[in-house]
Amino acid sequence: DAKTTQPTSMDCAEGRAANLPCNHSTISGNEYVYWYRQIHSQGPQYIIHGLKNNETNEMASLIITEDRKSSTLILPHATLRDTAVYYCIVYISNFGNEKLTFGTGTRLTIIP
Amino acid sequence: DTGVSQDPRHKITKRGQNVTFRCDPISEHNRLYWYRQTLGQGPEFLTYFQNEAQLEKSRLLSDRFSAERPKGSFSTLEIQRTEQGDSAMYLCASSSSQEYEQYFGPGTRLTVT
Repeated sequence: DAKTTQPTSMDCAEGRAANLPCNHSTISGNEYVYWYRQIHSQGPQYIIHGLKNNETNEMASLIITEDRKSSTLILPHATLRDTAVYYCIVYISNFGNEKLTFGTGTRLTIIP
Repeated sequence: DTGVSQDPRHKITKRGQNVTFRCDPISEHNRLYWYRQTLGQGPEFLTYFQNEAQLEKSRLLSDRFSAERPKGSFSTLEIQRTEQGDSAMYLCASSSSQEYEQYFGPGTRLTVT
């Protein structure tokens, strides 16, 4: 699986959009971009995934650049409950049902 | 559906003792995964099962570690002769074969003194 690079930490004001970047310059054509988050003392939680088109669900939006070498997770109206570590994972399948390779992620802190 | 559950949530043991953790997946999920997470790091894959078959094991899973999933339902992870380096959060997750999401449990935090 391709390696990902994320900033170590970010702050965002409550109510504003949180934009979390991820670089995956070695991604191959059949690899998907997945995002999980981990709130303190809990297990990771799936957020969203995509191949090349932008995706949106009830939690977030995923913007993937045309060359697929980077992506951005957008939390449109961040709340205090969004404070967590966010992991960007590049994965070979549309079915995330094999091993996941987590990096160290981005620690997002929502500021009241 | 109550989600993935793990027991115990916390375990303190002395070096050299054996410990066993249990994971109960979401009932209709045929895939079950174990991960280990140390402080400040993301989870690291240990092993996963499809039904009762163990399909892959990480190099992290030394011969002191063994995992089972009898009858393809709950799973146990045993660590023999624990070492201080085994101190970590042990996470279990489950999914179905055609699902893109892994559902994680709350984890078992192991402290080896």
